[in-house]
Amino acid sequence: GESVGLHLPTLSVQEGDNSIINCAYSNSASDYFIWYKQESGKGPQFIIDIRSNMDKRQGQRVTVLLNKTVKHLSLQIAATQPGDSAVYFCAENGVTGGGNKLTFGTGTQLKVEL
Amino acid sequence: DGGITQSPKYLFRKEGQNVTLSCEQNLNHDAMYWYRQDPGQGLRLIYYSQIVNDFQKGDIAEGYSVSREKKESFPLTVTSAQKNPTAFYLCASNPLDSTGYGYTFGSGTRLTVV
Repeated sequence: GESVGLHLPTLSVQEGDNSIINCAYSNSASDYFIWYKQESGKGPQFIIDIRSNMDKRQGQRVTVLLNKTVKHLSLQIAATQPGDSAVYFCAENGVTGGGNKLTFGTGTQLKVEL
Repeated sequence: DGGITQSPKYLFRKEGQNVTLSCEQNLNHDAMYWYRQDPGQGLRLIYYSQIVNDFQKGDIAEGYSVSREKKESFPLTVTSAQKNPTAFYLCASNPLDSTGYGYTFGSGTRLTVV
């Protein structure tokens, strides 16, 4: 039969507030992590990346934090705007000998309330 | 401008029909990938190719076929053997160099069985 779509985890924030989106990754050997933003009906867009030898990296209004001890990644968005409403995916590059292959998380829906 | 072009944006398939989704890139990237995305779910890898005339199965290759005759092109055929093809299909590419492991995505093709 036809599969039923799953409901994505949703984070609702007020415009102007900070957003924190979390991601747990699976492979302790992963050496590179990326956050993507996907708007409805469009392809994912690169936001920010971080290598495993770093704990924190900042971009414009975004910060990625990496905690390798607990295999946790987070994306912080400062002063969230309506245009930030989208699904956010984390991805990890677990180098397994098969070349560059990213593994993607399920995603989190960010809704910005006016 | 360099990028990845997927066509068509919307595609309708009748039961038992094969259809081919186009993916072209002018980024001179070595690797190309096909992902399937279902509502509320993450990206699942169908096939990938790291060099011309070579490709590997991903996690859900059954019912799909690909070719890589040119570096710029990586078409995906959804065959009649794919029992539930309705989904959003994303093509991506990567340069496979030291600049990072991030993918560049196309804008997607939404395939619907009618």
